[in-house]
Amino acid sequence: DIQMTQSPSSLSASVGDRVTITCRASQGISNYLAWYQQKPGKVPDLLIYGASTLQSGVPSRFSGSGSGTDFTLTISSLQPEDVATYYCQKYNSAPLAFGPGTKVDFK
Amino acid sequence: EVQLLESGGGLVQPGGSLRLSCAASGFTFGSYALSWVRQAPGKGLEWVSVVSGSGARIHYADSVKGRFTISRDNSKNTLYLEMKSLRAEDTAVYYCAKARSEVVAAAYNYWGQGTLVTVSS
Repeated sequence: DIQMTQSPSSLSASVGDRVTITCRASQGISNYLAWYQQKPGKVPDLLIYGASTLQSGVPSRFSGSGSGTDFTLTISSLQPEDVATYYCQKYNSAPLAFGPGTKVDFK
Repeated sequence: EVQLLESGGGLVQPGGSLRLSCAASGFTFGSYALSWVRQAPGKGLEWVSVVSGSGARIHYADSVKGRFTISRDNSKNTLYLEMKSLRAEDTAVYYCAKARSEVVAAAYNYWGQGTLVTVSS
């Protein structure tokens, strides 16, 4: 099975900072990669699918890139409401595994 | 408005069984794949199972294969997860999630609020 890893596992940043989270698949998955945001005590929300397509209603400060095995989620200017754990997920074929998550908070 | 409402969670002894349901509304039910995703207390998301819109395609995580059965009733707009031989490590909030398309290879654009399953003696 394809394994998903994320780095870093956690990060602290300031309001306005540019934040980058990396997701890596152990084998190529083309662009079958989604990013989710889960705020504390809340249900996960889809941010990006197809590695780079922004889900409707998601602020444009979020962007995704990559293909194959290496992917990136970027928050161009971190806002207070972005405190959350971010997960990547592969969905090219079963098992549709999630990455372990990256927790983002403020310094 | 898309709504997914899980039910059926609760406390069960190790080795026991439980059936989860997810009642859906606000979309053409049979046109979308549906999945179960779980989250153990304080842990990350774990994909459990998925069924295509027609019900023809089904997949399971290795951790639940042979113990859990996913099914859907497109006439009742309801998704199910039959869980048997439950273990302590199955303790989690179980989310029902709607895929963006009929096929299983799709991201999840709507999630239910989840139902808690606790496996303990």
